Amino acid sequence: AQSVAQPEDQVNVAEGNPLTVKCTYSVSGNPYLFWYVQYPNRGLQFLLKYITGDNLVKGSYGFEAEFNKSQTSFHLKKPSALVSDSALYFCAVRAVTSGTYKYIFGTGTRLKVLA
Amino acid sequence: NAGVTQTPKFQVLKTGQSMTLQCAQDMNHNSMYWYRQDPGMGLRLIYYSASEGTTDKGEVPNGYNVSRLNKREFSLRLESAAPSQTSVYFCASSEALLGWESYEQYFGPGTRLTVT
Repeated sequence: AQSVAQPEDQVNVAEGNPLTVKCTYSVSGNPYLFWYVQYPNRGLQFLLKYITGDNLVKGSYGFEAEFNKSQTSFHLKKPSALVSDSALYFCAVRAVTSGTYKYIFGTGTRLKVLA
Repeated sequence: NAGVTQTPKFQVLKTGQSMTLQCAQDMNHNSMYWYRQDPGMGLRLIYYSASEGTTDKGEVPNGYNVSRLNKREFSLRLESAAPSQTSVYFCASSEALLGWESYEQYFGPGTRLTVT
């Protein structure tokens, strides 16, 4: 079955430290991978995506993500965390099953950046 | 340019009542989606419309129906609400779903539905 896993429900990091939010996937074919962020009482906002090309993708608000095909991972990173980065982060993949395309979302990781 | 709008923002229903959640996008997107978000379960796809005139079931379609009224609007109907349908509902759109390109989704602000 095609799936996306975010193994950590919550990640705590001190302000100014680097942060990583993990995502692994299992899909057939080439994956199209996305990260979204959700602030309280808001809809999801697109951060970045990997389609093809350079394995390091840069996105909004200083976030980047590294695609690793051998480890089937797409971890979200930021060199220096801000308190305002505290939010719920979702990894997603576009998958194809029997010719039908759909997006599959992970369960989300809550990021808490401590001042 | 409002993006994706949803109405209502909040709704309380009694078991067995019906209602329609409205969604509209002004980005000329071809594809639209309805998700529900429950604690610990992330986002689950209810129905989607790859293009105007087509709709397909997602992961959790039971108890719901949809209508792609035109390119802009995609509504979700609960015919007989149940407490298990208490959730936050998000509508989203993307430029396309099919094909070699892959486009990010744009989400509305959500509808918080409680069924008692």
